[in-house]
Parts: sequence; C-alpha cells; structure tokens
Amino acid sequence: GENVEQHPSTLSVQEGDSAVIKCTYSDSASNYFPWYKQELGKRPQLIIDIRSNVGEKKDQRIAVTLNKTAKHFSLHITETQPEDSAVYFCAAITTGGGNKLTFGTGTQLKVEL
Amino acid sequence: DAGVIQSPRHEVTEMGQEVTLRCKPISGHNSLFWYRQTMMRGLELLIYFNNNVPIDDSGMPEDRFSAKMPNASFSTLKIQPSEPRDSAVYFCASSLAIRAEAFFGQGTRLTVV
Repeated sequence: GENVEQHPSTLSVQEGDSAVIKCTYSDSASNYFPWYKQELGKRPQLIIDIRSNVGEKKDQRIAVTLNKTAKHFSLHITETQPEDSAVYFCAAITTGGGNKLTFGTGTQLKVEL
Repeated sequence: DAGVIQSPRHEVTEMGQEVTLRCKPISGHNSLFWYRQTMMRGLELLIYFNNNVPIDDSGMPEDRFSAKMPNASFSTLKIQPSEPRDSAVYFCASSLAIRAEAFFGQGTRLTVV
C-alpha cells in the first residue's frame, strides 16, 4: 500500500517569511495529492490539491509542486501570517480504486510575530 | 448540504462499555472513511467503504473495533469493549470516488476512563 512521509514535523517561521513542507510517496500509481490544514480542536480541511498531470498549482499565498519522477511533492506558503499556524497534512492516493486516502504524519507550523 | 455529520461530538465512557460512533456522509458521496487521531499516531485510517462495501479494514486495531455502512447515508464505528487506550478523536470523512477530495466531519472526542 501507499506510504507517505512528511518533513519536518515542526516548523517555526517569522511572520512574513516563507514556509515549505515536503512529502514523499511510495506508490508510483498515485495520482492525486491533497493538502489539509487542521487548526487546534478542529477538523482537517482541504486547502489545495494537485493531480499528477500538472507540476505546480498556486492559490494566492499557497502553492504545491509535484515531482513524479522523484515521487515527492511540497507545500509552499509565502508571506506567512499568524493565522497560518496549524498542523498541515499531506496525502497521496490513486483515484478510481476506492480512493484510500493515506496521510503523512503532519507538520506543526508556528508563525511567530 | 450540511457537510459530514458525526455524533456524538463528545463521549465519555467507562472501560468495558460499548461505544458507538455515528456518521452521515455528504449526500451523493460514495466513499467513506473512518480515522482515529492521537498525538502519538497522528491520523490513522481505520477502515474505508466504497459504495457501502468495506474495501480495506487493515487499519482496524483489533477485533474490539467494527464498522458498518448499512446504506449510503449512514455508517457506524463500534468499540466493544472499550479501553482507555481507545481515547482519541475519531473522524469520519466522505468523498466522491471519481473526484477524491475528502471532507471531514467535526469528529467525536472519545474518552474512556
């Protein structure tokens, strides 16, 4: 089955700096890579996703890149703000086969003033 | 749509008691997932269903755990008998298989004393 590894486990940045979270996956058949943000005491919520037919996707201050050859993908947050502080999870799945969504171990991002 | 609905939001029970967690997926979604979240283990996939059929239950920790999906709009996760180490937040999520974006319920915080 799919195995997703995520680094770092904790990340502290100054407000306004950029933050990068990296994930690797094991199943070359995986074709969908979502990122979830979980604020304290709340549910994980999808913030951005990328499919295997593109290499990069942006949505305002967040972007995701995908390297299928190396089987890794990354989340980039620019101009970080205190409200970006949360736990971020990556995941990788193969769609159409039941969509078993396997998450990475999470990154605790803290944006300091 | 109200999103994925879980009940109860909080459950405190004594060791040895039966616990039943409930989930109503988003209407039209045909994949349903049960996750357990703890500080130590992160987000663990327990079981997932596709079109009401259990596809992969390899994450169910032991025979004390069971899950059912009698129809497209309802699923239960049962723990019998419960133990203190089962204390965690249990999330249900649903998705439309062809699209794969998974949406989470608000979770059930289970405490077994």
